[in-house]
Formats: sequence, C-alpha cells, structure tokens
Amino acid sequence: EVQLVESGGGLVQPGGSLRLSCAASGFTFKSYWMHWVRQGPGKGLEWVSRLNEDGSTTNYADSVKGRFTIYRDNAKNTLFLQMNSLRDEDTAMYYCTRDLAGAQAYWGQGILVTVSS
Amino acid sequence: DIVMTQSPLSLSVTPGEPASISCRSSQSPLHSQGNYFFDWYLQKPGQSPQLLIYWGSNRASGVPDRFSGSASGTDFTLKISRVEAEDLGIYYCMQGLQTPYTFGQGTKLEIK
Repeated sequence: EVQLVESGGGLVQPGGSLRLSCAASGFTFKSYWMHWVRQGPGKGLEWVSRLNEDGSTTNYADSVKGRFTIYRDNAKNTLFLQMNSLRDEDTAMYYCTRDLAGAQAYWGQGILVTVSS
Repeated sequence: DIVMTQSPLSLSVTPGEPASISCRSSQSPLHSQGNYFFDWYLQKPGQSPQLLIYWGSNRASGVPDRFSGSASGTDFTLKISRVEAEDLGIYYCMQGLQTPYTFGQGTKLEIK
C-alpha cells in the first residue's frame, strides 16, 4: 500500500523558515517524480513544485521560486521542501504527492503550515 | 500559464440522478504521445484530494465505473451516471502537461 506521511509543519513568523518532510513507503520511491501541492484555508489547490526521480530536475510555481527548494533522499525514501522567507500567503495545508504521468496519483494526509506574527 | 475554468462552481443533485462538470483549458493539454495530461480529483470533506480520472478519460484504481471522463481539445467533462451520497465534495480539474501545473477553481457537489 502506497503511503505518504508529511511532517515538519507548524507556526512560523513571517520571514522564517521551515523544512517539510514526506516519508514514502509501499512503492519504489526512486522511480517516481514527486510533487508538493498546497491548499490555503478555504481555498482551492495550488501546485507548488516537482522533482524528478534522481533529483536533478526541479520546477517551481512562480509564487515560491527562489524561496522554496525541493529535494529528496532516495536512500531514505524521503521528499523534502525547504521553505525560506515565508510570507503570510504561504499559510496552507501542504500535500506530498506521487506522480503518474503528470497526475497526482497518491496524496499524503497533509501538514499545516501557518505563517503569522 | 494554462488557465483551467470549471463550471458550474456548485451543483446540488438528488441521489440516483446524473451529474456533469465541465472544465475548459486555455491551451490544450494534449501530450505529444497522444494522451491528454488532464485529470479530475475529488476532495471529500476533511480529506486529502484523491485522483478520479487521469489522461482525460482513464479511471484511477478503485474508482467506481459510475464516474467517466471525456476530452476534446480544450474541453473536458466529468460525468457521474448516478450520484450517491458518498460523492459529495469538491471536484477539481488539473492539467499536468506543463509547469506550473494548474487546477480549476473547484466545483462543490451537494447532495439533495
């Protein structure tokens, strides 16, 4: 069974940093593109970033480019999202997802990030 | 960026009746390999979104066959042949052809 478990969220002040983790199991992690998708409170879904199988190719939404970094540790089956210079508008539930030819085939339960002073 | 526009934004359906949701993309998400990189997701209350349809018309594993998707150019449709109470939630379309991947605004399905 595919499982994606996010951790590392919480309350942070504007301008601060957080690192999200996503522990993957139930599939061959190193064989799949992985993504982060977020959802602001009461809002729709927003794609944030993706990373290829070996970590050599990354893409970001313009809203996070230059502030967020996606990376992975295939030996530990873990995906990360380093978030710096956080803003109020980054407040959201963050989901780790596994790719299926562009589709978000599997989703974690989500982790809440709150940016507030 | 490819803009995804859903309609309607809400609908109320009696159990057993059909339902249909449309999504239009500003550019066709047709991949060179011949598949539409276009998906439908359902987010039930209090849950993570789940994949319903990928490549425009392929049901994801475990999705009941009352759900179907169709695709033509920039127009996409999700149909539920007979709505059940468990189908309530917000439905999103998404294109995965080019980054940034983009979602529709969401369509809230309520059960009468």
